Amino acid sequence: AQSVTQPDIHITVSEGASLELRCNYSYGATPYLFWYVQSPGQGLQLLLKYFSGDTLVQGIKGFEAEFKRSQSSFNLRKPSVHWSDAAEYFCAVAPSGGYQKVTFGIGTKLQVIP
Amino acid sequence: DAGVTQSPTHLIKTRGQQVTLRCSPISGHKSVSWYQQVLGQGPQFIFQYYEKEERGRGNFPDRFSARQFPNYSSELNVNALLLGDSALYLCASSSSPGQGAEKLFFGSGTQLSVL
Repeated sequence: AQSVTQPDIHITVSEGASLELRCNYSYGATPYLFWYVQSPGQGLQLLLKYFSGDTLVQGIKGFEAEFKRSQSSFNLRKPSVHWSDAAEYFCAVAPSGGYQKVTFGIGTKLQVIP
Repeated sequence: DAGVTQSPTHLIKTRGQQVTLRCSPISGHKSVSWYQQVLGQGPQFIFQYYEKEERGRGNFPDRFSARQFPNYSSELNVNALLLGDSALYLCASSSSPGQGAEKLFFGSGTQLSVL
């Protein structure tokens, strides 16, 4: 069964500082991997996704993520955080075949301080 | 174009009651998925429907059911509500069913409180 682990429940960074959110996945084959962002009272918005090719994926809002098969990781990064990035971030995995069951991690809540 | 719309936005029910949640996908999208998000947790997959047929079901009891209409809108029904059913229910649409890489577009959800 597929699963996702986000070890950091809550992270606080200063505005302008760099950010890395950790994600580890468990899946028998090469999965499809995603990062979603959720602002309070809102649904989820896709930041980026990986399913093949270049292991460094660029997304919206200046985010990027790197797929590392040897570490079963898909960490999200941003070089300089803005106050508007404060939100909850979810890593997710989906099977490479079959129906579209996406499994989400528990989420990492990002707080940005001035 | 409108995004995924869900109704109602908030709902309060008592234990044992039944509830129906509604979702309209993005125009042209034929697949609808439902997720339950309990406070402090990530969303959990409940159902996926495509072309009015159930394509996948998560680990939820039979009290949960859903259907998709010819216009691709969908309803999620929950019977015999329990306190633990209190959650944000998210609907997501996509243009095709089945490959895991398909991008999901989420609505803002229905916040269900069971008292």
